[in-house]
Amino acid sequence: DAGVIQSPRHEVTEMGQEVTLRCKPISGHNSLFWYRQTMMRGLELLIYFNNNVPIDDSGMPEDRFSAKMPNASFSTLKIQPSEPRDSAVYFCASSSGTSGQQDTQYFGPGTRLTVL
Amino acid sequence: QKEVEQDPGPLSVPEGAIVSLNCTYSNSAFQYFMWYRQYSRKGPELLMYTYSSGNKEDGRFTAQVDKSSKYISLFIRDSQPSDSATYLCAMTGSGYSTLTFGKGTMLLVSP
Repeated sequence: DAGVIQSPRHEVTEMGQEVTLRCKPISGHNSLFWYRQTMMRGLELLIYFNNNVPIDDSGMPEDRFSAKMPNASFSTLKIQPSEPRDSAVYFCASSSGTSGQQDTQYFGPGTRLTVL
Repeated sequence: QKEVEQDPGPLSVPEGAIVSLNCTYSNSAFQYFMWYRQYSRKGPELLMYTYSSGNKEDGRFTAQVDKSSKYISLFIRDSQPSDSATYLCAMTGSGYSTLTFGKGTMLLVSP
């Protein structure tokens, strides 16, 4: 299996632009997680999907952030408009269990976002 | 007080040393404890997984949980330069749907 696939790997954009990050989870996994990692705040959960349904989006920082999972093999995280403080590494992870977090999460390689 | 506290390091040791990495937490409902290893510019990968209190050993790695003290540890014996990475603790409890991560400790093992 190819593991969790994320694209793009690097994104540099200007403040105010729309940014879309993409994730393909491991086939057969039914839970998907979006995280943001910064030096200051560490790894933060943004949103968690189970069977394509958003279960917990309490970590989404504000309305500028939105996430979708139209099917079991694809998810997007969108930031519109982007701001310099959104600069971070964004990780997607997936897991196979129905019990949520007790199951091993497999992380993608991350998207390094820089907003100028 | 943050839910999970972890010293960011860096922790520098010579090859062959015994390494101790630690996390403290405040939520007594946490029952599942994990250690993830993250190499530079890579995603975290699960290294060790323990349930409730006690020790778990896997090769050179030992995970220890002391729920009474709300303290978990990861020991690395005979450390190698390839162990140089950031180690993140993570934890959750029954009925929880999310993991809570520490900020990670950067470990540098010099040859």
